[in-house]
Amino acid sequence: SAVISQKPSRDICQRGTSLTIQCQVDSQVTMMFWYRQQPGQSLTLIATANQGSEATYESGFVIDKFPISRPNLTFSTLTVSNMSPEDSSIYLCSVGTASYEQYFGPGTRLTVT
Amino acid sequence: QQQVKQSPQSLIVQKGGISIINCAYENTAFDYFPWYQQFPGKGPALLIAIRPDVSEKKEGRFTISFNKSAKQFSLHIMDSQPGDSATYFCAASMRRNTPLVFGKGTRLSVIA
Repeated sequence: SAVISQKPSRDICQRGTSLTIQCQVDSQVTMMFWYRQQPGQSLTLIATANQGSEATYESGFVIDKFPISRPNLTFSTLTVSNMSPEDSSIYLCSVGTASYEQYFGPGTRLTVT
Repeated sequence: QQQVKQSPQSLIVQKGGISIINCAYENTAFDYFPWYQQFPGKGPALLIAIRPDVSEKKEGRFTISFNKSAKQFSLHIMDSQPGDSATYFCAASMRRNTPLVFGKGTRLSVIA
């Protein structure tokens, strides 16, 4: 398994500002994924982050709004830019393993006012 | 297009009873089917998973049944306990290190 931490655990931000969420893994992993979970809803993939290459974004998510960095095999950041109340969600990072399993971090609960 | 359909949306089960949650998928390229358990304020936790080469997998009180021809899989929780009350998500992926596609979730309440 993998142990994943996220910072911050929660934040309240003003409209128009940006927040960077950090994801740290306790072991080296090839693939990291960022998901969004709106209140009471399921998980939606934002992007896939492979170390050493540009992140791959899902339909409806763009790099200008959600820039991602993946500087090494244990760390990634997701920035939520120019926030609006519609961005209020839980943001989750997860990691893939060589044996199919994927593990999730505890999430970052973002409220935009 | 929803690739993984999950039912029911919510489920109330008596303590000691069996909880059953069902999922159906459309994409025959899926070859990994996990279930996640999520408590309020927490990230999803991997509960149990199956690959299509077996029809059933059991871990403690949790069992996955898999029907490849029907493109369906289900989670059975035996001897359900109040501590099992959580939201359960089924998911699917195509290969190692590829993103998961999630069902919409089932909110389970186990009452004494």
